[in-house]
Amino acid sequence: GAVVSQHPSWVICKSGTSVKIECRSLDFQATTMFWYRQFPKQSLMLMATSNEGSKATYEQGVEKDKFLINHASLTLSTLTVTSAHPEDSSFYICSARDPGRASGNTIYFGEGSWLTVV
Amino acid sequence: AQKITQTQPGMFVQEKEAVTLDCTYDTSDPSYGLFWYKQPSSGEMIFLIYQGSYDQQNATEGRYSLNFQKARKSANLVISASQLGDSAMYFCAMREGDTNAGKSTFGDGTTLTVKP
Repeated sequence: GAVVSQHPSWVICKSGTSVKIECRSLDFQATTMFWYRQFPKQSLMLMATSNEGSKATYEQGVEKDKFLINHASLTLSTLTVTSAHPEDSSFYICSARDPGRASGNTIYFGEGSWLTVV
Repeated sequence: AQKITQTQPGMFVQEKEAVTLDCTYDTSDPSYGLFWYKQPSSGEMIFLIYQGSYDQQNATEGRYSLNFQKARKSANLVISASQLGDSAMYFCAMREGDTNAGKSTFGDGTTLTVKP
């Protein structure tokens, strides 16, 4: 079963409104989560690293005021797209690191969220 | 410079045959991990296989094997006995430094189509 869950799976919102996407680790406590954005048929681009209890680290070119990230607990990180516009329509996917695993695959991805701004 | 290069935008393979998806990488860090993911049209990222930079043997997971050639900086994915359900986009990814860091760099992906 899924160890990282995203919600909602898809959302349609009106231009100018804000939308929140949640990323939850189900079987472990995640001090670090990652948010990616993916356009159709393209690669995943890291947007930011979400750190529990501290500010997120944004990648170059990502507007921190537009993509608000909050990691208030060890099992939940949220991405809020503020004042959404049609160009923000994309697939957003999170991943979380399981600190209980010492090697190998330590990262688990959520199911992703399709955002359409109309 | 691109850190992960997948040179095959699309690949076709006949059902039951083997296929190799190419991946080359670039890093100066001696410690890194290489990953392959499958992404069907639903969007979820399905972990397939992992290879650590210090692993002596090539990783294998069922029908998936990773042909790791460290000196050439390549980490090709081999899928044996292809199935129709293998049709999807495949991404090669790398994590540098401490394998627990978690920050991944992805290639552009290869779309695999399995023909009946």
